[in-house]
Amino acid sequence: AQSVTQPDIHITVSEGASLELRCNYSYGATPYLFWYVQSPGQGLQLLLKYFSGDTLVQGIKGFEAEFKRSQSSFNLRKPSVHWSDAAEYFCAVHTGGGNKLTFGTGTQLKVEL
Amino acid sequence: GAVVSQHPSRVICKSGTSVKIECRSLDFQATTMFWYRQFPKQSLMLMATSNEGSKATYEQGVEKDKFLINHASLTLSTLTVTSAHPEDSSFYICSATSAGGSGNTIYFGEGSWLTVV
Repeated sequence: AQSVTQPDIHITVSEGASLELRCNYSYGATPYLFWYVQSPGQGLQLLLKYFSGDTLVQGIKGFEAEFKRSQSSFNLRKPSVHWSDAAEYFCAVHTGGGNKLTFGTGTQLKVEL
Repeated sequence: GAVVSQHPSRVICKSGTSVKIECRSLDFQATTMFWYRQFPKQSLMLMATSNEGSKATYEQGVEKDKFLINHASLTLSTLTVTSAHPEDSSFYICSATSAGGSGNTIYFGEGSWLTVV
């Protein structure tokens, strides 16, 4: 069965600093990969997704992610973090056919001013 | 873009009563909807998958008689928590997708806070 690992439970960065959130997946074939962001008490907003093609994916709010098959990773990056980026970030995978998502445990991002 | 709406956003009910949460796709036809449960500071756990016009498929460990899911139309799915107890208090989130094939984007609702007192 597919699984998603987000190794970092909490990350704190200074505003203006770069950010990388890690995500590793386990699946036999090429999965469809997503990053979502959740503000406290809110639903999930899609940041970006990878289905196929260019392995560097651009998303909203200045985020990007790179799919690396050799490392089974799909890390999320942002060159300069803003205070409003503080939130919970979830990596998710679905394997096609059912559109069912498996989520990682999430990474809580704190931004210091 | 596509929008999925949940109602109510917050609900408080007494122990032993039933409560219904609605999930609507506002500008697309959702052939498949998913219901998730999220405990504080934890990830989302899939409860069930519902396809329009058919019975929901429940994940292992989810009581189908307690969490009734109905997907009667292409724009509406409902989750009814029957005989609610305090341990059912949680954040429930639905998501919807427009087709059964692979590679489709899944849109999430805003979530519904259920508190059972």
